Amino acid sequence: SQKIEQNSEALNIQEGKTATLTCNYTNYSPAYLQWYRQDPGRGPVFLLLIRENEKEKRKERLKVTFDTTLKQSLFHITASQPADSATYLCAPRYGNKLVFGAGTILRVKS
Amino acid sequence: EAQVTQNPRYLITVTGKKLTVTCSQNMNHEYMSWYRQDPGLGLRQIYYSMNVEVTDKGDVPEGYKVSRKEKRNFPLILESPSPNQTSLYFCASSLSIGTAQETQYFGPGTRLLVL
Repeated sequence: SQKIEQNSEALNIQEGKTATLTCNYTNYSPAYLQWYRQDPGRGPVFLLLIRENEKEKRKERLKVTFDTTLKQSLFHITASQPADSATYLCAPRYGNKLVFGAGTILRVKS
Repeated sequence: EAQVTQNPRYLITVTGKKLTVTCSQNMNHEYMSWYRQDPGLGLRQIYYSMNVEVTDKGDVPEGYKVSRKEKRNFPLILESPSPNQTSLYFCASSLSIGTAQETQYFGPGTRLLVL
């Protein structure tokens, strides 16, 4: 079965810096990969989707890359703000299954 | 307002006492699913439904049942809860899956404690 790995350690950065989160997957590439944000005690909220044949996708301060050779997706938040503090989940789609990683906690300090 | 609702939000029960967690969406979505979230394990899919009367097992279906009699509702049933089913449960819906326009909408979660 597919295994999705995200940094288990929290990422602590200073306000205004760029946060970069990593998502690695094993075996074959997914058709596409999604990123979600989850705040404590709340359900995940969809942020971005990137397809297998796309190298990069942007939405405002967010950028996602997808490297099928490295079997990796990177999620960037530029000009980070304390309000960006949350857990970020990556979720590749394999057929009928959306397989979630355990998530990486991001803390942005002012 | 477009949303997925779950009830109850919090539930404490005892081993063996049947319970149902309701899930409803008002977006006319075809696809609905249930996940459980445990520390360090991420979201794991329990069951999903592609449409009315069509359900299938996810990765961790043991001890759970679902039904999809109406498009908007997708209840999760625990016939005989056990302590290892203590978890945070999320219902999600999507207009469709397998397309680049897929967006999963999640409910607020149900925190279940089985004693």
